[in-house]
Amino acid sequence: DGGITQSPKYLFRKEGQNVTLSCEQNLNHDAMYWYRQDPGQGLRLIYYSQIVNDFQKGDIAEGYSVSREKKESFPLTVTSAQKNPTAFYLCASGPLLRTTDTQYFGPGTRLTVL
Amino acid sequence: AQTVTQSQPEMSVQEAETVTLSCTYDTSENNYYLFWYKQPPSRQMILVIRQEAYKQQNATENRFSVNFQKAAKSFSLKISDSQLGDTAMYFCAFMPISNFGNEKLTFGTGTRLTIIP
Repeated sequence: DGGITQSPKYLFRKEGQNVTLSCEQNLNHDAMYWYRQDPGQGLRLIYYSQIVNDFQKGDIAEGYSVSREKKESFPLTVTSAQKNPTAFYLCASGPLLRTTDTQYFGPGTRLTVL
Repeated sequence: AQTVTQSQPEMSVQEAETVTLSCTYDTSENNYYLFWYKQPPSRQMILVIRQEAYKQQNATENRFSVNFQKAAKSFSLKISDSQLGDTAMYFCAFMPISNFGNEKLTFGTGTRLTIIP
């Protein structure tokens, strides 16, 4: 089946630990994105990548890091520098066709800091 | 920078009725896309409908249609014959059109829609 997978579904982290959220897609999309969702705030962009080995900071990149070594994969690391990491994290991907620019979302990862 | 405003935090409607969700946006761009996404309790974000700003015709997808008013920067979603499965958070989103393609989305804060049996 074609789609976007995120793992794990739930993740618990102790303060001071780095954790990595996985995002994989088999839709052959060039562009991939990470959004954070907090109650009452909609979705905010953390990082995005439109080609392999290149990525751009979004609106709330501080305390996060990403890599894009393969077209299919765009992992997000939440570092200990992120002051309030408890949130729902959504990964998205989309084609770079201009005529059909749309983003499709994975099922999300709920991160809780203990 | 773009902003998207959804002024209705919550709405409810009886099953089979029609409901309209409001969205306004602010941008200096002339070419862009607008989207409505649905997020049911499963939290999966699902694309409902997409509108290209350069098209005057309003987009429709089965029971879902939009009223796009470019001059007023308004983009409302109409759901006809509402069903229980329409219960969800609905997000309006904006994307500028660039030469590279598929730029970042800017989201509104959402409207929680409840369909009452």
